[in-house]
Amino acid sequence: QVQLQESGPGLVKPSETLSLTCSVSGDSVSSGSYYWSWIRQTPGKGLEWIGYISYSGSTKYNPSLKSRVTISVDTSKNHFSLKLSSVTAADTAMYYCAGQHYYYDSTAYNYVGYYFDCWGLGTLVTVSS
Amino acid sequence: QTVVTQEPSFSVSPGGTVTLTCGLSSGSVSTRYYPSWYQLTPGQAPRTLIYNTNTRSSGVPDRFSGSILGNKAALTITGAQADDESDYYCVLYMSSGISVFGGGTKLIVL
Repeated sequence: QVQLQESGPGLVKPSETLSLTCSVSGDSVSSGSYYWSWIRQTPGKGLEWIGYISYSGSTKYNPSLKSRVTISVDTSKNHFSLKLSSVTAADTAMYYCAGQHYYYDSTAYNYVGYYFDCWGLGTLVTVSS
Repeated sequence: QTVVTQEPSFSVSPGGTVTLTCGLSSGSVSTRYYPSWYQLTPGQAPRTLIYNTNTRSSGVPDRFSGSILGNKAALTITGAQADDESDYYCVLYMSSGISVFGGGTKLIVL
């Protein structure tokens, strides 16, 4: 069973860069079964998809955050990371890492699924001076 | 910009049945969006309930079911229990590779 754990500073100053890491156990970040993803929940609001990195290193980001987001992977440490630059109070949120699973359906002759199959517990990041 | 719509809140009596929906601001939801559903309870990791429109995740009781109803994805809870009181989110996977969350539905069981 894949387990994920977020880590990183809980407090970031405005205009600085938020950096978080997600450690993966039970699978390799190179396995090709998941898009390794970041999701956040801002206070009083819903969940927001931030983006993902694939086993090959390709990335996809939420258009609303794209200019500030970088997701990377370190295969030697079996973890992936999030960097969000120029943060403001609006970036205060619970940040989750998750694995978005997809698989080949031989009856559909296509890849299917694309659902968040495993989640970290989340880490709260507050942006404040 | 794609907006995924959900009812802000819903109430159900214990033992009752409730259907939550997940729509698109423009267009219809189909299986091509691989709708999935998640339960969010404070202090816990999100729980995956349904994926691929109607496949229950491992360990999810069969009183949770997913479907397409009309032009929306739907999550039906049959025989609601007190601990079903949570926030429920749907996600649609776009052909561009972007995932979009709905705004969530707060389910009240009383």
